[in-house]
Amino acid sequence: GESVGLHLPTLSVQEGDNSIINCAYSNSASDYFIWYKQESGKGPQFIIDIRSNMDKRQGQRVTVLLNKTVKHLSLQIAATQPGDSAVYFCAESDTGNQFYFGTGTSLTVIP
Amino acid sequence: EAGVAQSPRYKIIEKRQSVAFWCNPISGHATLYWYQQILGQGPKLLIQFQNNGVVDDSQLPKDRFSAERLKGVDSTLKIQPAKLEDSAVYLCASSYLGGNSPLHFGNGTRLTVT
Repeated sequence: GESVGLHLPTLSVQEGDNSIINCAYSNSASDYFIWYKQESGKGPQFIIDIRSNMDKRQGQRVTVLLNKTVKHLSLQIAATQPGDSAVYFCAESDTGNQFYFGTGTSLTVIP
Repeated sequence: EAGVAQSPRYKIIEKRQSVAFWCNPISGHATLYWYQQILGQGPKLLIQFQNNGVVDDSQLPKDRFSAERLKGVDSTLKIQPAKLEDSAVYLCASSYLGGNSPLHFGNGTRLTVT
């Protein structure tokens, strides 16, 4: 299987600060990446995606950065809010149509 | 649009019993996935369907797990007989373009095997 991992299993930030969640992947053939947010008792929820022909993509309060040279993906959340507390997963897909998920980072926002 | 529907939400069974989970994907999504998520881990793919055909079931424990998507819409995942290590959340997801578009997940079925 593929290796998709996260550098930090837990992250605590103060409300209003920016959060950065990192992800490493090992398959150089992966060409599509997605960040998911999972709250307790719910399924993963799509946040933002990026394809390998891009190195940055922005959404509402979120930015995904892709560094294909070192096979690294990051999710930046601006002005983190209590509602952002959840587990965040990165997922990668290659041309085989499969998605591989990392272990996840638990984000806790301190009011 | 309506999301991915799964039932039941919770199930508690004894080991060696059987159990079935049901999934209704988003309308128009040809690709359907079943994932197993053990507490504290990321989702792990069990099986992927494209319409009513199996694309990948290499990680499905076929001696006890089975899945079908007979009419290319709804899907059922069955475990028989269940083991303690099958305790997990079973997530169903669907996508419009397979691995080239986002997966949309249901809220899963939490299975506890005692």
